[in-house]
Amino acid sequence: AQSVTQLGSHVSVSEGALVLLRCNYSSSVPPYLFWYVQYPNQGLQLLLKYTSAATLVKGINGFEAEFKKSETSFHLTKPSAHMSDAAEYFCAVSRPRGAAGNKLTFGGGTRVLVKP
Amino acid sequence: GAVVSQHPSWVICKSGTSVKIECRSLDFQATTMFWYRQFPKQSLMLMATSNEGSKATYEQGVEKDKFLINHASLTLSTLTVTSAHPEDSSFYICSADAVALNTEAFFGQGTRLTVV
Repeated sequence: AQSVTQLGSHVSVSEGALVLLRCNYSSSVPPYLFWYVQYPNQGLQLLLKYTSAATLVKGINGFEAEFKKSETSFHLTKPSAHMSDAAEYFCAVSRPRGAAGNKLTFGGGTRVLVKP
Repeated sequence: GAVVSQHPSWVICKSGTSVKIECRSLDFQATTMFWYRQFPKQSLMLMATSNEGSKATYEQGVEKDKFLINHASLTLSTLTVTSAHPEDSSFYICSADAVALNTEAFFGQGTRLTVV
């Protein structure tokens, strides 16, 4: 079984400050890991993914995440927050594609508020 | 590429009626599609896995007779909420696996269902 824990359901940052969203996972097999962003009443947009290549993954909109196997973590960062980063962020885990396909297990989500 | 279209984006229906939600992969073939449900301010929970030409696999606790899933072609899966009740009001999101792009799933825009 796989699971994801996102520490902090809400994060408030000032515009221009560092954004750090924490994600820890549990998986019995080497995982694929994802970060998604969701704006109100919209679907999910992929920010970045880890699929067993480079451990430091760069995504869209200036976000990046580092896979740390020893810590079972995949924290998301952005050096400088922008007002448009205010949204809900989800960390997700899946198995490498097999019979189950890309079935995702999501964390609880972290809502980011950006203060001017 | 890899666009998933979900329709309708929102729907209001009366209690006791049925509602059909469509999930289409526009520019790729999807052998597997997934249906998720998201309650307000909560994460996404997998409801079922839909495979083209076969019966859907439902997650524990999801009523298969209430949430009918059909995946009749490689580009279309439908979710029908039968005899809807107010507690079925939720945000429903589909995702699709692309055979050729096998490291991630692609999400639709979601459907906001309100049962009155």
